[in-house]
Amino acid sequence: AQSVTQLDSHVSVSEGTPVLLRCNYSSSYSPSLFWYVQHPNKGLQLLLKYTSAATLVKGINGFEAEFKKSETSFHLTKPSAHMSDAAEYFCAFTSGTYKYIFGTGTRLKVLA
Amino acid sequence: GAVVSQHPSWVICKSGTSVKIECRSLDFQATTMFWYRQFPKQSLMLMATSNEGSKATYEQGVEKDKFLINHASLTLSTLTVTSAHPEDSSFYICSASQVLSNSPLHFGNGTRLTVT
Repeated sequence: AQSVTQLDSHVSVSEGTPVLLRCNYSSSYSPSLFWYVQHPNKGLQLLLKYTSAATLVKGINGFEAEFKKSETSFHLTKPSAHMSDAAEYFCAFTSGTYKYIFGTGTRLKVLA
Repeated sequence: GAVVSQHPSWVICKSGTSVKIECRSLDFQATTMFWYRQFPKQSLMLMATSNEGSKATYEQGVEKDKFLINHASLTLSTLTVTSAHPEDSSFYICSASQVLSNSPLHFGNGTRLTVT
């Protein structure tokens, strides 16, 4: 079965420190993977996507993610957290169909 | 580019009335649009897949007569919550995908529905 697992429901970091949000997937097919951010009462904004090109993907707002097939992971990182990064982050997966599978989300808290 | 506009952003209605939510792709053609429901502090639950010019495909457990979906053009899909009840109160989000598969989903800003 295809699935996406976000390992942490909440992550807290201090401003200026690195961010790591973890995502693992399970699929028999070559996946396309995405990270989205959601601010309160807003829709989801695409941060970055992996679609079988370079395994290290750079996105907006300084975020990047690395696709590791051997670990079935697609973790999201940022070198230095900013207060404005506080939000809910969703990892999503699709395997060539139009149906997307979303993780349960990770709430990022940034402490001053 | 790839902007999806969803309207209204919030709506309050009385029990028994119907509410229509619009989802428009502003700068691309969306052959497929998706409607999600999001409960507080939870992930997105796919309700239905809307295909231009054909009937929507509903996920298991979603009442098609309750949540009417129309995708009349390549840039517009509507979700109508019929005979709304308080338990229908939720955050509804639409998304659209461009023609190519594996294209990312682009999301509207969501609609907060409150049924009193």
